[in-house]
Amino acid sequence: GESVGLHLPTLSVQEGDNSIINCAYSNSASDYFIWYKQESGKGPQFIIDIRSNMDKRQGQRVTVLLNKTVKHLSLQIAATQPGDSAVYFCAENRAETSGSRLTFGEGTQLTVNP
Amino acid sequence: DAGVTQSPTHLIKTRGQHVTLRCSPISGHKSVSWYQQVLGQGPQFIFQYYEKEERGRGNFPDRFSARQFPNYSSELNVNALLLGDSALYLCASSPPRDSNEKLFFGSGTQLSVL
Repeated sequence: GESVGLHLPTLSVQEGDNSIINCAYSNSASDYFIWYKQESGKGPQFIIDIRSNMDKRQGQRVTVLLNKTVKHLSLQIAATQPGDSAVYFCAENRAETSGSRLTFGEGTQLTVNP
Repeated sequence: DAGVTQSPTHLIKTRGQHVTLRCSPISGHKSVSWYQQVLGQGPQFIFQYYEKEERGRGNFPDRFSARQFPNYSSELNVNALLLGDSALYLCASSPPRDSNEKLFFGSGTQLSVL
C-alpha cells in the first residue's frame, strides 16, 4: 500500500557527529514533506518541511534533502547534541488531499552518546 | 503564545465505556486534526475539521466521532471502547489557509482502556 517508511528503526551517534535519518515514500503524488521530532511523553514537534519543487532546505543545524527520482527524503542534523535524542518521523501530505492530512512513517529512534 | 492544548492528559477507562477528549488550537488557527498514536508507531490520521466542517476522515470505525465548535476548539468522542483503542491521541492545528500546511501538535491525551 501507499505509505511513508523509514529505513532504520534506530540510530546511535556520538555527540558532535552529524546524523542522517532516511525516509522512503511511495506516493509520487506527494508534494509536501515534514520532519517531526518526538520526545518521550510529548507530541511531535515540527523540525523542517520541504515542498516537492525543492531539492534541499536548510534550517538551524538541520537540512532536509528530497530526491524525487528515487522517492527518498533525508534529515541531516549537524553537530548532534544529547538534546537531539528522540524519535524522528517523516510525514507526507498528498496533493489531492484537501487540508492537512499527514501520513507518518514508523519513526527512527536517535540516541546521542556523550 | 499558547500552543495546542489538550485535556485530559491521561485517562483510564474500561471496555465498553465512552470517552471525550478535548482540544484547543493555537489562537488564529481554524483547522483542527486528530491523530491516534499507538505505542511504537507513527501517528495515524483520524479526522480533520476546518471552519467547523469535517474535511477528512481516516480509516477508523464509526465509534469515533468529532466536532468543532464556533471558537475552533474540538472534541473527539469514542464510543464502546475496545482494548485496542489504548493509545496517545494527538490534536493538531494548522494556520488559516486551507491547503497543505505544517501541523502543530499538542502533547496528547494518553488513553488506557482496561
